[in-house]
Parts: sequence; structure tokens; C-alpha cells
Amino acid sequence: ETGVTQTPRHLVMGMTNKKSLKCEQHLGHNAMYWYKQSAKKPLELMFVYSLEERVENNSVPSRFSPECPNSSHLFLHLHTLQPEDSALYLCASSQGYGGNQPQHFGDGTRLSIL
Amino acid sequence: GQQVMQIPQYQHVQEGEDFTTYCNSSTTLSNIQWYKQRPGGHPVFLIQLVKSGEVKKQKRLTFQFGEAKKNSSLHITATQTTDVGTYFCAGLSGTYKYIFGTGTRLKVLA
Repeated sequence: ETGVTQTPRHLVMGMTNKKSLKCEQHLGHNAMYWYKQSAKKPLELMFVYSLEERVENNSVPSRFSPECPNSSHLFLHLHTLQPEDSALYLCASSQGYGGNQPQHFGDGTRLSIL
Repeated sequence: GQQVMQIPQYQHVQEGEDFTTYCNSSTTLSNIQWYKQRPGGHPVFLIQLVKSGEVKKQKRLTFQFGEAKKNSSLHITATQTTDVGTYFCAGLSGTYKYIFGTGTRLKVLA
């Protein structure tokens, strides 16, 4: 039990589909993150929300659209994805943003683009 | 931009042997964190180092932060099969953003 729950665990979609990834944290944290993990690459930070406000947007293509309706929930809306977007998408949360805050990760969503 | 490199990329050891992974940053770090990701799992926070030259121990794991705060190491004494996984460092520099290293994948042969 990680305290950070991601759904779905696996997702297969075509390039023209629209889908959403969901993340929920039960830790009372104020910051939430989306990371992309591809084979043979370091974890890539995509988006950061602190107190429901986006504070980082790392040059991520517009086909990825984050949403943070409250401090416990984070979504990643996907549309018109490319094959190179196939990866493990990890959500994380921390007590605060930056500084000495460890991040707690969910189990991830394994995304495959056909 | 800031880069955090780890070596080696892969390491196979016999159970009982020692293991070390090294983390090197292109810029001076405010602090560094270490995470472990088991196969099929998610990264789990291990420890954080803040001070120059700091050394911390967790049972068989020893973590060190370099004097110049640009490098760090994780050493495992007498590896066990439960140590299998990928070890990541994550450095904080300037901004509030942690940059993850490339990771070292450890396999322990029984």
C-alpha cells in the first residue's frame, strides 16, 4: 500500500483515442507530480502541482494535459498520442514542493500506444 | 541544462559481494535523495543527504555526499537477493525541481 493510487494500471490505446490517467493520494500532501519513465532513460519530470497550482511544465507536448481539481487528485489527459509516448507514467506526491521533501510514488500506469 | 549521471548502468554481483553506485551532477547540489525501484515496482525513497561530506548508514547501506556536493555514492555491503532493483539518485539544484539520475540496475546472483 503506497498511499498513492494510480488507475488504470495498464492502458492500450490507438493514436486517435482520448483517455485519462488518474492519481489519488491519501497522505495529506500538498504537491503532486507526473513523471514519464521510458526504458534506458532517467525519470522525466512532466508536471508539478503545488496547492493545486501548476508550478512546473517541462516542455511537455500539448497532447498531454494535466488537471488538478484538488490537492488529493491529479489527472493526465491524453489525446492523439504517438508511439514514442509508450512508457510507464508515474504519479508522486510530497508534503510540500521542493526542499527536503521525499516523494511518494504510485505503482504507475503502463501505457502502450498502437 | 543540469544533468545527473550514474555509473555503472548495470551491475551483476554474487550474493555476499559488495556493490557501489556513483552519482555525479554537472552542478552543485543543495541536497540529494536516493530511491530504490524493485522490478515491476515504483521508486521508494531511501534517504536524503544535505551536508557536504555527510555519511549516513541504513543497516548494510552506506550513503555519502561529496565534499563539493556534486557527487554521491551508495554502497551495499554483503548484498542479498532482496537488494535487487534499480537505484536512483535525485539531485536538487537551484530550483525546487529534483533531477533524477540515470539509475543503476543491480542483479544479485544466488
